[in-house]
Amino acid sequence: DAGITQSPRHKVTETGTPVTLRCHQTENHRYMYWYRQDPGHGLRLIHYSYGVKDTDKGEVSDGYSVSRSKTEDFLLTLESATSSQTSVYFCATSGGAGTDTQYFGPGTRLTVL
Amino acid sequence: AQSVTQLDSQVPVFEEAPVELRCNYSSSVSVYLFWYVQYPNQGLQLLLKYLSGSTLVESINGFEAEFNKSQTSFHLRKPSVHISDTAEYFCAVRGASNTGKLIFGQGTTLQVKP
Repeated sequence: DAGITQSPRHKVTETGTPVTLRCHQTENHRYMYWYRQDPGHGLRLIHYSYGVKDTDKGEVSDGYSVSRSKTEDFLLTLESATSSQTSVYFCATSGGAGTDTQYFGPGTRLTVL
Repeated sequence: AQSVTQLDSQVPVFEEAPVELRCNYSSSVSVYLFWYVQYPNQGLQLLLKYLSGSTLVESINGFEAEFNKSQTSFHLRKPSVHISDTAEYFCAVRGASNTGKLIFGQGTTLQVKP
């Protein structure tokens, strides 16, 4: 297994509060991704990074921002959480694009009340 | 752009029976295809992938999938399932580009009954 950890693993917060989720990897992988998983939708890409300080939007990026100041850390921030952002968030990494396998972290369950 | 459709949201099956989980994709460019498995309360694990070459790919635990370009399908099969195969299965596609972005299907829950 790739060494991917996510913190926190569970979080309950209130509408309007800022939330930051952290993904940490020990594999020195270049690419990192944030997905959200919702019933009936599978996983949808929020943002991804192809290097330190290099990020781009995914399919469902509205309301989210990301930062990557070090190879090993990729942060996902909800500036003002809404109930529609209640979801399970997964981080993934890969050494390269194309044929490289993406490895997934254990997930963070976020509930916005 | 790519899209993936998993045709069944739930597949109930008895232990030791065969199973097929269906996946169709659409893309205007060459693609790589993946099946991931998610056991309860865990992250996703790669089950198998098609990159090029032989259209039939196999996993270490008895699953196989066949890439059918003319039908744009990548169905997952196992001739005899076990209780431990109960999980959610995701089909995913990636365009042959530099970003590595995966597009996932909606998922199929395989329920293996004794």
